Amino acid sequence: GAVVSQHPSWVICKSGTSVKIECRSLDFQATTMFWYRQFPKQSLMLMATSNEGSKATYEQGVEKDKFLINHASLTLSTLTVTSAHPEDSSFYICSALTSGSSYEQYFGPGTRLTVT
Amino acid sequence: KQEVTQIPAALSVPEGENLVLNCSFTDSAIYNLQWFRQDPGKGLTSLLLIQSSQREQTSGRLNASLDKSSGRSTLYIAASQPGDSATYLCAVRCGNTDKLIFGTGTRLQVFP
Repeated sequence: GAVVSQHPSWVICKSGTSVKIECRSLDFQATTMFWYRQFPKQSLMLMATSNEGSKATYEQGVEKDKFLINHASLTLSTLTVTSAHPEDSSFYICSALTSGSSYEQYFGPGTRLTVT
Repeated sequence: KQEVTQIPAALSVPEGENLVLNCSFTDSAIYNLQWFRQDPGKGLTSLLLIQSSQREQTSGRLNASLDKSSGRSTLYIAASQPGDSATYLCAVRCGNTDKLIFGTGTRLQVFP
């Protein structure tokens, strides 16, 4: 199957700083990527849908100015958590959608963010 | 509004058993359905993708069926192994580039 990578896999930062997470589709081009957040023992919560070359579409309740998403190329999307606070600590997972006839979605391994 | 439900929420079985995990969705107008597994602290691994025109897909010991008219999908795991222990998620896509709507998941534990 297709491979999606995320970097970093884990990060610890201080309150007030910004953190950038990268998501790459390694062996396919992805016009559409998704960013999710997951709390312990809960299902994934979709944060935003990212389309290459255009602004991301955010889900209700997700702050656009806090979670900046950039999908600058067909293989790279980034999520920047700005002015991070401890409540932003979570597991962030990106996903990329293949095109063609199948439209299958592949997920990255996730990034564990801890804000101290 | 599409809603996806999975039953059971948790399952614990001895090694070797054949298992059936259930997924139901409220709106039958779907584009495709995917089954995933998630290990603790990891991302999701795609197991099987069923297009709306298909009835089932198979990969190794896994078989997924789709009955769109009744809004149901089942994931069958044959001869379960301890390595199958994980959370299994089904998700439906309503349009070709729409977001996935996830079920609540089934947490599976297979003990030796």
